[in-house]
Amino acid sequence: EVQLVESGGGLVQPGRSLRLSCAASGFTFEDYAMHWVRQAQGKGLEWVSGISWNSGTIGYADSVKGRFTISRDNAKNSLYLQMNSLRAEDTALYYCAKDAYYDITMGSDYWGQGTLVTVSS
Amino acid sequence: QSALTQPASVSGSPGQSITISCTGTSSDVGGYNYVSWYQQHPGKAPKLMIYDVSNRPSGVSNRFSGSKSGNTASLTISGLQAEDEADYYCSSYTSGSTLVLFGGGTKLDVL
Repeated sequence: EVQLVESGGGLVQPGRSLRLSCAASGFTFEDYAMHWVRQAQGKGLEWVSGISWNSGTIGYADSVKGRFTISRDNAKNSLYLQMNSLRAEDTALYYCAKDAYYDITMGSDYWGQGTLVTVSS
Repeated sequence: QSALTQPASVSGSPGQSITISCTGTSSDVGGYNYVSWYQQHPGKAPKLMIYDVSNRPSGVSNRFSGSKSGNTASLTISGLQAEDEADYYCSSYTSGSTLVLFGGGTKLDVL
């Protein structure tokens, strides 16, 4: 059974940093691209970042470029999102999602339950 | 880059068919066959309904179908059921450093 379990969310002050993690199991993690997608309360889905199977292709939404860094550790079956210079508008539920392919397509067949990030003073 | 354009809401009666559109540009929807559709019920994670424009994942009802013409992709749901009432989002691969775009979402009401 495929499982994606996000962790690392919480309450953080504006300007501070947070690191999200996603633990993957039930599939060959190193064979697939992965994504972070967020959803603010009552709002739509927003793609945040994606990374190909070998980290050779990485992309970011314009809203987080230069502040967030995605990475993966295939040996640990884990995906990460380092979030720096956090802003109030980064407050959202952050989902980890598996792509159906080794490269980035956003045909994401499995999603975690999300981890909540709240940026507030 | 702008989000893909979806209607805010659509509605239909049980048994009817509805279509949700997703309009982009030649740099995203029109340029690649990597359009996906997601269903999201309140408080739940999104569920993949269609990928690569028209492919259905295993376990998704064949009442759901996808297509594309030019810069507009479409999701059609036939034989509407009450359980189809949800938010639907499209996504597409896009050229440039921002690799993925989502639509703003469409709320489907089954009357």
